[in-house]
Amino acid sequence: DAGVTQSPTHLIKTRGQHVTLRCSPISGHKSVSWYQQVLGQGPQFIFQYYEKEERGRGNFPDRFSARQFPNYSSELNVNALLLGDSALYLCASSLVGGAGTDTQYFGPGTRLTVL
Amino acid sequence: DAKTTQPPSMDCAEGRAANLPCNHSTISGNEYVYWYRQIHSQGPQYIIHGLKNNETNEMASLIITEDRKSSTLILPHATLRDTAVYYCTGEVFSGYALNFGKGTSLLVTP
Repeated sequence: DAGVTQSPTHLIKTRGQHVTLRCSPISGHKSVSWYQQVLGQGPQFIFQYYEKEERGRGNFPDRFSARQFPNYSSELNVNALLLGDSALYLCASSLVGGAGTDTQYFGPGTRLTVL
Repeated sequence: DAKTTQPPSMDCAEGRAANLPCNHSTISGNEYVYWYRQIHSQGPQYIIHGLKNNETNEMASLIITEDRKSSTLILPHATLRDTAVYYCTGEVFSGYALNFGKGTSLLVTP
């Protein structure tokens, strides 16, 4: 079975631009979470979606938004890019999200560079 | 929400057991501890998780202290391919998200 897939793998943008990152979860998983990982740090939680509804949001500005589609794939959108948005963006899928033993499985990430 | 503390780096000789500690003294009673590792900025790879009891799978063993304030991940026979950053995570946002710290950079040497 395919794991979590993300596209594109790398992306270069300039300040002020908009970017859309895409994620396809593991087949059968209905929840998608997004994390940002800047160099030298652990991943930081941005959003979790379950059944197309936002379930949780981390401490990120409104420039960050996301949505989940009927097939459970997801998009992360970032507007008005700043240099500090340069990071590895990770998508994780799980069966239903939430607490406890519902393990999150990560994709390979999208490396975003903002110039 | 549990905050985790790990040593920044550790070394281990190939073939020996690697024991990676994690402090999570603020963990709540029903909060799981998860371990992931990350190789060369790839996506984190799930290793193991536990609540109260010790756990073992094909990758590793997880030992959780009785008071649940700390845990140890054990790689029984480390190989060069185990060189990675290892993260011990708690849960945040009512369990919807994983709370990653900076992790431990494990170097396995020949």
